[in-house]
Amino acid sequence: GQQLNQSPQSMFIQEGEDVSMNCTSSSIFNTWLWYKQDPGEGPVLLIALYKAGELTSNGRLTAQFGITRKDSFLNISASIPSDVGIYFCAGRRQLTFGSGTQLTVLP
Amino acid sequence: GAGVSQSPSNKVTEKGKDVELRCDPISGHTALYWYRQSLGQGLEFLIYFQGNSAPDKSGLPSDRFSAERTGGSVSTLTIQRTQQEDSAVYLCASSPAAGNAQPQHFGDGTRLSIL
Repeated sequence: GQQLNQSPQSMFIQEGEDVSMNCTSSSIFNTWLWYKQDPGEGPVLLIALYKAGELTSNGRLTAQFGITRKDSFLNISASIPSDVGIYFCAGRRQLTFGSGTQLTVLP
Repeated sequence: GAGVSQSPSNKVTEKGKDVELRCDPISGHTALYWYRQSLGQGLEFLIYFQGNSAPDKSGLPSDRFSAERTGGSVSTLTIQRTQQEDSAVYLCASSPAAGNAQPQHFGDGTRLSIL
């Protein structure tokens, strides 16, 4: 089956720092989606990418669909405590998920 | 409600029992998905419904798992003769239609614990 490699698995950062995480795959995807999951809740969509090379922002979040269609990254600028959570990338119709990046923001 | 609703939110049952998990998708959404999330893991696709088409069952881990979607709306995921490895959060998602251009909206999941 399709495999998504998400990195890093976890991050500890200081409030105010910028964050970058990425997903790579050996397969081509037509869609990349980034979700955030808080404890006890379902994933919430942050950004959706539909075209290779597409760069999309949502507030402090910026994500890009890689030119090769095999990767995507998510950047968070000027992190704040409420950014804490698990961030998942996902690709394709059934959304093959990466294993998640656990983000911890230290005050 | 405005979002995907799942019930129960928590379910504890004994090994060997059958369980049913319910999903109410967003009104008007024709596509419905079930995923399983084990502790500390990503989401594992289970099954996908689109309109009146035959479901895509390619992610179901065994024949103990089945799902129905009645009237193109509510869906029920059934696990028969539960095993301890079935313990996980089961998430349902819906989207307006099938295809790559339709982001999926998730419910908060059912946390299933098999004793």
